[in-house]
Amino acid sequence: AQTVTQSQPEMSVQEAETVTLSCTYDTSESDYYLFWYKQPPSRQMILVIRQEAYKQQNATENRFSVNFQKAAKSFSLKISDSQLGDAAMYFCAYRSEVPGTASKLTFGTGTRLQVTL
Amino acid sequence: GAVVSQHPSRVICKSGTSVKIECRSLDFQATTMFWYRQFPKKSLMLMATSNEGSKATYEQGVEKDKFLINHASLTLSTLTVTSAHPEDSSFYICSAREGGRRYGYTFGSGTRLTVV
Repeated sequence: AQTVTQSQPEMSVQEAETVTLSCTYDTSESDYYLFWYKQPPSRQMILVIRQEAYKQQNATENRFSVNFQKAAKSFSLKISDSQLGDAAMYFCAYRSEVPGTASKLTFGTGTRLQVTL
Repeated sequence: GAVVSQHPSRVICKSGTSVKIECRSLDFQATTMFWYRQFPKKSLMLMATSNEGSKATYEQGVEKDKFLINHASLTLSTLTVTSAHPEDSSFYICSAREGGRRYGYTFGSGTRLTVV
């Protein structure tokens, strides 16, 4: 079974600065998707960014970008120009593309990001 | 964009009673629904996966008879917690996937269940 590990329970960043959240995963599969989700205090899960494993180019969405290292099974999230609204729990998630796996997401344990003035 | 409406947002029930949580996809057909449980400051633990018209597939360790899942239509899935006990108190979240979309998951806003 796949596992997703987020080794940073909490992180803090100053407003306008850059922060990187770490995620590693364990899989024997070659085809999969990786995601970062944000869960603010409202508890609503919000997709931040996704990465297809077959793509070598790192995904970017405005201030959010990833560093995807397939061989190292690492998928870190970089938040640039941090804003107060970025404060939330961030979850890394894995989805297998193997047929028959029901497309379920496996989540990491989460990193709580605080943004300070 | 795709919206999943989850109700109720909060519910308090007495021990021994049953509680039903509904998730409705408002503007798309949810061919697959995932139900998660989240403990305070913890990750989302998948409880079960259901496809419309089929029996749910439960994760190891999840009691099928306690957590009844029904996915009778493409827009509605329900989770019923039967004979609830205080240890069932938690935050429950549904997530819907539209058939044909490779990576789109739409999450409900969650239900906080407190069993007293």
